Parts: sequence; C-alpha cells; structure tokens
Amino acid sequence: EIVLTQSPATLSLSPGERATLSCRASQSISSLLSWYQQRPGQAPSLLIYDASNRATGVPARFSGSGSGTDFTLTISSLEPEDFAVYYCQQRSSWPLTFGGGTKLEIK
Amino acid sequence: EVKLVESGGGLVKPGGSLRLSCAASGFTFSNYVMNWVRQAPGMGLEWVSSISGSSSQTFDADSLKGRVTISRDNAKNSLYLHMHSLRAEDTAIYYCARRMVYSSTSWGAFDVWGQGTVVTVSS
Repeated sequence: EIVLTQSPATLSLSPGERATLSCRASQSISSLLSWYQQRPGQAPSLLIYDASNRATGVPARFSGSGSGTDFTLTISSLEPEDFAVYYCQQRSSWPLTFGGGTKLEIK
Repeated sequence: EVKLVESGGGLVKPGGSLRLSCAASGFTFSNYVMNWVRQAPGMGLEWVSSISGSSSQTFDADSLKGRVTISRDNAKNSLYLHMHSLRAEDTAIYYCARRMVYSSTSWGAFDVWGQGTVVTVSS
C-alpha cells in the first residue's frame, strides 16, 4: 500500500498570504496525484488532478506541482473561503489512498 | 447538473447489515467508474470500493474485504454498497464519488462527490 504523508498537519496563515502544502508518497507514483479541498460540513471537492491540472472551475490561485514522491499544492494568495482541510490522493496502484490531510486555519 | 445523492444510512447494531444507495443524474452513468469513500468522525478520507462502468471489475479496501459488496444498476443510474458484519469502526459518512475516465483501463481522480450518508454502528 502506498502511504501518503502530508505536512504540516496544521498551517496557520492570514488572508493574502501564500500557502504551501506538501504531500510525500512512500514510493514513486509518477504524476498520479490529486488534491481535494474539504470545507467544514461539506463533501470533498476536486482541486488538482494528475499533479498539476486544475479541475473545472478552480481558481487560478491554486496550483499543483511535483512528480515521483514529492508533491506541492500552492495557494498564491489566500482568500477567506480557502481555509479548509486539504487532502492528497494517489491513483497509481490499488488500494487508492489518501493523505492524512492539512488543516489550513486563519492566523 | 451533474449530481450524486446518497441514501440508506442510519443506526445499526454491531453485526448488522445495511445497503447504501447513490442516485446519479446529469451524466451518462454507465460510462463512469463509481466509488464509495468514507470518513469516520473527525478523521480523514478512506477509499472503500470501486466498480467499473460495466460492473466487470470491482475493487475493495482490505479493511472491508469480505464485508462489503459494491454493485450498480445502469438502467436505474444507481450505485449500491451492501455492508454486513458491521463494526463500531465502520461508523462514518459514506460518500459516493465518480472517477474521471481516460480509457477502459485508465481511471482518474474523484471529480464528482455526493453529500454523503451517515452510518452509525452502535448498540
């Protein structure tokens, strides 16, 4: 099973700041990584697929990068609605696995 | 509008059974791989099970293998998850999710999610 480790567990920033979230895979997964946002009380929603492709309707301030074992989700300038939990997920092999999440909170 | 609506959750005793349903609309259901993902209270996301468009392939998480059966009815645009021998640790929100499809053998991210149905296993 591929283990995804997200860091930090919690990130405290202010609106307008830049956020950098990390996801590390226990073995190479090429670019087969997605990022999801989950706001409180809501279902997850797809932000980035295949490491760097923004999903439909996702603002340009969200970007993804990386390949192999190290991946990054960057939010260039935080808006109030961006404070949420973010998960990475791999589709390289079964079982599909998710990272433990990074909670982005307002400082 | 593309939509997934889950139902069938509720309170069930340990050892009991439950069938979850997911009604799909707004897209050609049979063309997509469908999935169940769960989230225990205060915890992260856990993939549960997947089924191909024709039902020819199914995949289950090891933690649930032998206790869950995923199925679908393309004529009814519906996905199901039958769970039995339920345990307290199965308590979670169960989400229905669609996967992007690149080809018959290449499936992508979870691009559409339902709002979830709550399953509570308790005596």
